[in-house]
Amino acid sequence: DIQMTQSPSFLSASVGDRVTINCKASQNINKYLNWYQQKLGEAPKRLIYNTNNLQTGIPSRFSGSGSGTDYTLTISSLQPEDFATYFCLQHNSFPWTFGGGTKLELK
Amino acid sequence: QVQLKESGPGLVQPSQTLSLTCTVSGFSLTSNSVSWVRQPPGKGLEWMGAIWSGGSTDYNSALKSRLSISRDTSKSQVFLKMNSLQTEDTAIYFCTRGSSYWGQGVMVTVSS
Repeated sequence: DIQMTQSPSFLSASVGDRVTINCKASQNINKYLNWYQQKLGEAPKRLIYNTNNLQTGIPSRFSGSGSGTDYTLTISSLQPEDFATYFCLQHNSFPWTFGGGTKLELK
Repeated sequence: QVQLKESGPGLVQPSQTLSLTCTVSGFSLTSNSVSWVRQPPGKGLEWMGAIWSGGSTDYNSALKSRLSISRDTSKSQVFLKMNSLQTEDTAIYFCTRGSSYWGQGVMVTVSS
């Protein structure tokens, strides 16, 4: 199975900050990497698919990049509604596997 | 709009079988895959398996011997059955359309 190592696990930041979250795969996942936002009690929401494609309706302050084994989610200017948990998913090969999650908290 | 809603018993006894239903709307099961994903309390997400648009299935090898996913396209429902439940199967169970839309999940506790 492909292991997804996500960092950091916790992140404290302020409104307006630029933040980055990383996922490292144990092998090449050919850019089949999605990013999700999860808020307590809500369904996870896909933000980015296949590394750098913004899901319809998601603000442009969210962006993704990467290739091979290393991928990054960037939020260019944090808004109050962005404080949530974020996780990545590789869907290059079965079983699909997830990063451990990043909890983004208000500093 | 696309919606998925999981339903099933909140409590299952050890060694028993879990049966969950995912009722979907806003898309066709014959054109889209549905996966099941679970998240134990305080732990990470685990992809369990999927049923594809053509009706074939794939399972996580860690669960394959206990897991079955099926569907009723006429009712827009996907089913998960997993047997021999243990306490470590306590989790929130989600169904997803492909890798895009997710349901809110259903909490399942395995306890006597």
